[in-house]
Amino acid sequence: DAKTTQPNSMESNEEEPVHLPCNHSTISGTDYIHWYRQLPSQGPEYVIHGLTSNVNNRMASLAIAEDRKSSTLILHRATLRDAAVYYCILRSRQLTFGSGTQLTVLP
Amino acid sequence: DTGVSQDPRHKITKRGQNVTFRCDPISEHNRLYWYRQTLGQGPEFLTYFQNEAQLEKSRLLSDRFSAERPKGSFSTLEIQRTEQGDSAMYLCASSLPPRLAGLHNEQFFGPGTRLTVL
Repeated sequence: DAKTTQPNSMESNEEEPVHLPCNHSTISGTDYIHWYRQLPSQGPEYVIHGLTSNVNNRMASLAIAEDRKSSTLILHRATLRDAAVYYCILRSRQLTFGSGTQLTVLP
Repeated sequence: DTGVSQDPRHKITKRGQNVTFRCDPISEHNRLYWYRQTLGQGPEFLTYFQNEAQLEKSRLLSDRFSAERPKGSFSTLEIQRTEQGDSAMYLCASSLPPRLAGLHNEQFFGPGTRLTVL
C-alpha cells in the first residue's frame, strides 16, 4: 500500500488558518486522498477527500499538488474544537491510517 | 442520536478469557467495518461486511478473532483466549453502499470499546 508522511505535531493559534501537509510520493493513479480527524476519546471523523482537483466543504479545503505527490488540508479558521489528530490516508480499497498529525490549537 | 454505537465502552478481562463486543451501525448503512487502535497509533483495519457477508479480513485478524453480522444489521467481534497484546481500542464504522453515496463515501465511526487484558 502507498504510504503517507505527516509531521508528528503542529501548533496553531485560535482563529488563524492551519495548513496540514501530507506527502505521498508513491501514490497510484487510483488512490483517493482522504482526511479524517480524531478528537480525544472519540472515533475518527471524516473531513474531506479528493482525487486530483482541489476540494472544499464546510469543514475544510483540500489542496492537491499537480503531480499528486503531496496534499494540504486547510482549516480556514482554527477553533479550540479543531484540536485533534489529523490523518491523511490514501484509499484504494480500505482506509489505511498512519500515525497522523497532532494539532494543538492555542487560545 | 442515530450514530454508530458500541457496547461495552470499556472491558477489563483476564488473560485467557473470551470477550465479545457489539456494534450497531447507522440503520441504512449496509457496510460495517472493524478496526483496532493501540495507543499512539492510527486505527488498523481488521475486517468488513457488506450486509451479512464478510468480504475482507486483514492479516491482523488471527484465528482467535471472529466477527459476525448475522442479519446484516448489528455485528459482534469475539476474541477468544485473550492475550495482553490484544489490549487496544476496538472501533466500528459503517457506511452507505457505494451505489447511493459513491465509491469513496465516508465511514462513520463509533466511540469504540477499550479492551484491557490483565
